[in-house]
Amino acid sequence: AQKITQTQPGMFVQEKEAVTLDCTYDTSDPSYGLFWYKQPSSGEMIFLIYQGSYDQQNATEGRYSLNFQKARKSANLVISASQLGDSAMYFCAMRRGRQAGTALIFGKGTTLSVSS
Amino acid sequence: GAGVSQSPSNKVTEKGKDVELRCDPISGHTALYWYRQSLGQGLEFLIYFQGNSAPDKSGLPSDRFSAERTGGSVSTLTIQRTQQEDSAVYLCASSSPTQGEAKNIQYFGAGTRLSVL
Repeated sequence: AQKITQTQPGMFVQEKEAVTLDCTYDTSDPSYGLFWYKQPSSGEMIFLIYQGSYDQQNATEGRYSLNFQKARKSANLVISASQLGDSAMYFCAMRRGRQAGTALIFGKGTTLSVSS
Repeated sequence: GAGVSQSPSNKVTEKGKDVELRCDPISGHTALYWYRQSLGQGLEFLIYFQGNSAPDKSGLPSDRFSAERTGGSVSTLTIQRTQQEDSAVYLCASSSPTQGEAKNIQYFGAGTRLSVL
Protein backbone atom coordinates (compact mmCIF):
# COMPACT_ATOMS: atom_id res chain seq x y z
CA ALA A 1 0.00 0.00 0.00
CA GLN A 2 1.12 3.53 -0.66
CA LYS A 3 2.20 5.58 2.31
CA ILE A 4 3.78 8.95 3.07
CA THR A 5 5.67 9.45 6.30
CA GLN A 6 6.68 12.77 7.81
CA THR A 7 8.49 12.15 11.07
CA GLN A 8 8.95 15.74 12.24
CA PRO A 9 5.81 17.10 13.90
CA GLY A 10 7.47 20.48 14.38
CA MET A 11 10.59 22.29 13.22
CA PHE A 12 12.05 25.57 14.40
CA VAL A 13 14.41 27.76 12.40
CA GLN A 14 15.67 31.31 12.47
CA GLU A 15 15.21 33.75 9.64
CA LYS A 16 17.70 33.41 6.78
CA GLU A 17 18.68 29.90 7.78
CA ALA A 18 18.00 26.86 5.62
CA VAL A 19 15.73 24.08 6.83
CA THR A 20 15.04 20.54 5.63
CA LEU A 21 11.66 18.90 6.08
CA ASP A 22 11.75 15.13 5.83
CA CYS A 23 9.48 12.92 3.77
CA THR A 24 9.71 9.23 3.05
CA TYR A 25 7.30 7.30 0.89
CA ASP A 26 6.37 3.76 0.09
CA THR A 27 5.02 2.52 -3.20
CA SER A 28 5.52 -0.50 -5.41
CA ASP A 29 4.67 1.43 -8.56
CA PRO A 30 7.71 2.47 -10.65
CA SER A 31 5.84 5.56 -11.87
CA TYR A 32 4.80 8.06 -9.25
CA GLY A 33 4.69 11.75 -8.49
CA LEU A 34 5.61 13.54 -5.27
CA PHE A 35 4.31 16.94 -4.19
CA TRP A 36 4.89 19.40 -1.38
CA TYR A 37 2.18 21.76 -0.21
CA LYS A 38 2.21 24.60 2.30
CA GLN A 39 -0.78 25.30 4.52
CA PRO A 40 -0.65 28.64 6.38
CA SER A 41 -3.05 29.43 9.18
CA SER A 42 -5.58 30.68 6.63
CA GLY A 43 -6.13 27.03 5.68
CA GLU A 44 -5.55 27.06 1.94
CA MET A 45 -3.17 24.44 0.57
CA ILE A 46 -0.53 26.05 -1.62
CA PHE A 47 1.44 23.97 -4.11
CA LEU A 48 5.21 24.37 -3.75
CA ILE A 49 7.10 21.80 -5.79
CA TYR A 50 6.78 18.56 -7.73
CA GLN A 51 9.13 15.63 -8.39
CA GLY A 52 8.39 12.85 -10.83
CA SER A 53 9.85 9.42 -10.28
CA TYR A 54 11.60 9.47 -13.65
CA ASP A 55 12.93 13.01 -13.36
CA GLN A 56 16.70 12.97 -13.66
CA GLN A 57 17.30 16.12 -11.66
CA ASN A 58 16.09 17.32 -8.29
CA ALA A 59 13.24 19.80 -8.62
CA THR A 60 13.77 23.45 -7.70
CA GLU A 61 11.31 26.34 -7.43
CA GLY A 62 12.87 29.55 -6.17
CA ARG A 63 13.84 29.06 -2.52
CA TYR A 64 12.39 25.55 -2.53
CA SER A 65 14.30 22.49 -3.65
CA LEU A 66 13.59 18.83 -3.33
CA ASN A 67 16.30 16.40 -2.25
CA PHE A 68 15.07 13.31 -4.07
CA GLN A 69 16.80 10.06 -3.15
CA LYS A 70 14.97 7.37 -5.05
CA ALA A 71 16.79 4.37 -3.62
CA ARG A 72 16.02 5.55 -0.11
CA LYS A 73 12.47 6.54 -1.08
CA SER A 74 12.90 9.98 0.38
CA ALA A 75 11.83 13.36 -0.97
CA ASN A 76 12.93 16.00 1.51
CA LEU A 77 11.98 19.64 1.04
CA VAL A 78 14.74 22.17 1.49
CA ILE A 79 13.82 25.80 2.12
CA SER A 80 16.76 28.15 1.77
CA ALA A 81 16.95 31.52 3.48
CA SER A 82 13.83 31.07 5.62
CA GLN A 83 11.43 33.98 5.98
CA LEU A 84 8.85 34.73 8.67
CA GLY A 85 6.15 34.08 6.09
CA ASP A 86 7.34 30.51 5.75
CA SER A 87 5.80 29.68 9.11
CA ALA A 88 3.10 27.15 8.22
CA MET A 89 2.22 23.48 8.02
CA TYR A 90 3.99 21.57 5.24
CA PHE A 91 2.62 18.43 3.66
CA CYS A 92 4.32 15.86 1.49
CA ALA A 93 1.97 14.01 -0.87
CA MET A 94 1.99 11.32 -3.53
CA ARG A 95 -0.45 10.44 -6.27
CA ARG A 96 -2.66 7.48 -5.39
CA GLY A 97 -2.45 6.03 -8.88
CA ARG A 98 -0.38 6.11 -12.02
CA GLN A 99 -2.63 8.46 -13.96
CA ALA A 100 -1.85 12.13 -13.69
CA GLY A 101 -5.32 13.06 -12.50
CA THR A 102 -5.67 10.74 -9.56
CA ALA A 103 -6.07 12.00 -6.02
CA LEU A 104 -3.26 12.47 -3.54
CA ILE A 105 -2.33 10.76 -0.31
CA PHE A 106 -0.76 13.01 2.28
CA GLY A 107 1.64 12.71 5.15
CA LYS A 108 0.68 13.99 8.61
CA GLY A 109 2.54 17.23 8.01
CA THR A 110 5.31 19.22 9.68
CA THR A 111 4.73 22.54 11.40
CA LEU A 112 7.51 24.98 10.61
CA SER A 113 8.07 27.97 12.86
CA VAL A 114 10.42 30.71 11.68
CA SER A 115 11.64 33.22 14.25
CA SER A 116 13.40 36.54 13.86
CA GLY B 1 -12.35 34.64 -9.04
CA ALA B 2 -9.39 32.75 -10.44
CA GLY B 3 -9.04 30.16 -7.70
CA VAL B 4 -11.11 27.32 -6.25
CA SER B 5 -14.02 28.71 -4.30
CA GLN B 6 -15.72 26.91 -1.42
CA SER B 7 -18.79 27.84 0.52
CA PRO B 8 -19.67 28.26 3.25
CA SER B 9 -16.33 28.91 4.90
CA ASN B 10 -17.75 27.80 8.23
CA LYS B 11 -20.77 25.65 9.04
CA VAL B 12 -22.12 24.78 12.44
CA THR B 13 -24.85 22.17 12.57
CA GLU B 14 -26.60 19.94 15.03
CA LYS B 15 -26.06 16.23 15.15
CA GLY B 16 -28.48 14.42 12.85
CA LYS B 17 -28.96 17.30 10.41
CA ASP B 18 -27.95 17.17 6.74
CA VAL B 19 -25.37 19.60 5.34
CA GLU B 20 -24.31 20.62 1.85
CA LEU B 21 -20.87 21.95 1.04
CA ARG B 22 -20.18 23.62 -2.27
CA CYS B 23 -17.09 23.77 -4.44
CA ASP B 24 -16.60 25.92 -7.53
CA PRO B 25 -13.44 24.75 -9.33
CA ILE B 26 -11.09 26.76 -11.49
CA SER B 27 -12.69 27.39 -14.85
CA GLY B 28 -11.72 24.75 -17.38
CA HIS B 29 -10.46 22.24 -14.84
CA THR B 30 -11.92 18.84 -15.61
CA ALA B 31 -10.83 17.08 -12.43
CA LEU B 32 -12.31 17.84 -9.02
CA TYR B 33 -11.41 16.31 -5.67
CA TRP B 34 -12.81 16.38 -2.17
CA TYR B 35 -10.60 15.80 0.85
CA ARG B 36 -11.26 15.90 4.57
CA GLN B 37 -8.77 17.26 7.08
CA SER B 38 -9.28 16.33 10.72
CA LEU B 39 -6.99 16.43 13.72
CA GLY B 40 -6.79 12.73 14.23
CA GLN B 41 -6.68 11.55 10.62
CA GLY B 42 -4.79 14.21 8.72
CA LEU B 43 -5.83 14.77 5.10
CA GLU B 44 -7.97 12.02 3.60
CA PHE B 45 -9.22 11.61 0.07
CA LEU B 46 -12.99 11.39 -0.22
CA ILE B 47 -14.08 11.45 -3.87
CA TYR B 48 -12.72 12.36 -7.31
CA PHE B 49 -14.52 13.48 -10.45
CA GLN B 50 -12.88 13.45 -13.87
CA GLY B 51 -14.88 14.85 -16.74
CA ASN B 52 -17.85 12.66 -17.59
CA SER B 53 -16.34 9.51 -16.12
CA ALA B 54 -17.89 7.74 -13.16
CA PRO B 55 -16.50 9.29 -9.97
CA ASP B 56 -14.01 7.49 -7.77
CA LYS B 57 -15.91 7.20 -4.51
CA SER B 58 -13.45 4.89 -2.82
CA GLY B 59 -12.59 7.38 -0.08
CA LEU B 60 -16.11 8.09 1.17
CA PRO B 61 -16.22 6.93 4.81
CA SER B 62 -19.87 5.90 4.89
CA ASP B 63 -23.07 5.94 2.84
CA ARG B 64 -24.05 9.14 4.64
CA PHE B 65 -21.57 10.91 2.37
CA SER B 66 -22.34 11.64 -1.26
CA ALA B 67 -21.24 14.14 -3.87
CA GLU B 68 -22.44 15.42 -7.20
CA ARG B 69 -20.85 17.41 -9.92
CA THR B 70 -23.32 19.15 -12.17
CA GLY B 71 -22.43 20.17 -15.69
CA GLY B 72 -18.83 19.24 -15.15
CA SER B 73 -18.26 22.29 -12.96
CA VAL B 74 -19.69 22.99 -9.49
CA SER B 75 -19.71 20.14 -7.00
CA THR B 76 -21.76 19.61 -3.86
CA LEU B 77 -20.69 17.33 -1.03
CA THR B 78 -23.66 16.20 1.07
CA ILE B 79 -23.41 14.68 4.51
CA GLN B 80 -26.63 13.20 5.80
CA ARG B 81 -27.48 12.70 9.47
CA THR B 82 -24.26 14.37 10.59
CA GLN B 83 -22.30 12.92 13.48
CA GLN B 84 -19.79 14.63 15.75
CA GLU B 85 -16.95 12.68 14.13
CA ASP B 86 -17.81 14.43 10.84
CA SER B 87 -16.41 17.66 12.30
CA ALA B 88 -13.44 18.56 10.11
CA VAL B 89 -12.28 20.90 7.39
CA TYR B 90 -13.50 19.79 3.98
CA LEU B 91 -11.15 20.80 1.19
CA CYS B 92 -11.89 20.86 -2.49
CA ALA B 93 -9.25 20.86 -5.23
CA SER B 94 -9.31 20.98 -9.00
CA SER B 95 -6.81 20.21 -11.72
CA SER B 96 -6.46 20.00 -15.44
CA PRO B 97 -4.83 16.62 -16.08
CA THR B 98 -3.17 16.49 -19.45
CA GLN B 99 -2.51 13.14 -21.01
CA GLY B 100 1.18 12.43 -20.91
CA GLU B 101 1.90 15.10 -18.32
CA ALA B 102 2.62 13.54 -14.99
CA LYS B 103 2.77 16.74 -12.97
CA ASN B 104 -0.93 17.67 -12.77
CA ILE B 105 -0.98 20.16 -9.93
CA GLN B 106 -4.06 20.19 -7.75
CA TYR B 107 -5.20 23.64 -6.66
CA PHE B 108 -7.06 23.83 -3.39
CA GLY B 109 -9.77 26.04 -2.01
CA ALA B 110 -9.68 27.48 1.51
CA GLY B 111 -12.01 24.78 2.78
CA THR B 112 -15.24 24.58 4.75
CA ARG B 113 -14.87 24.13 8.49
CA LEU B 114 -17.72 21.91 9.65
CA SER B 115 -18.61 21.72 13.31
CA VAL B 116 -21.21 19.20 14.41
CA LEU B 117 -22.60 19.92 17.87
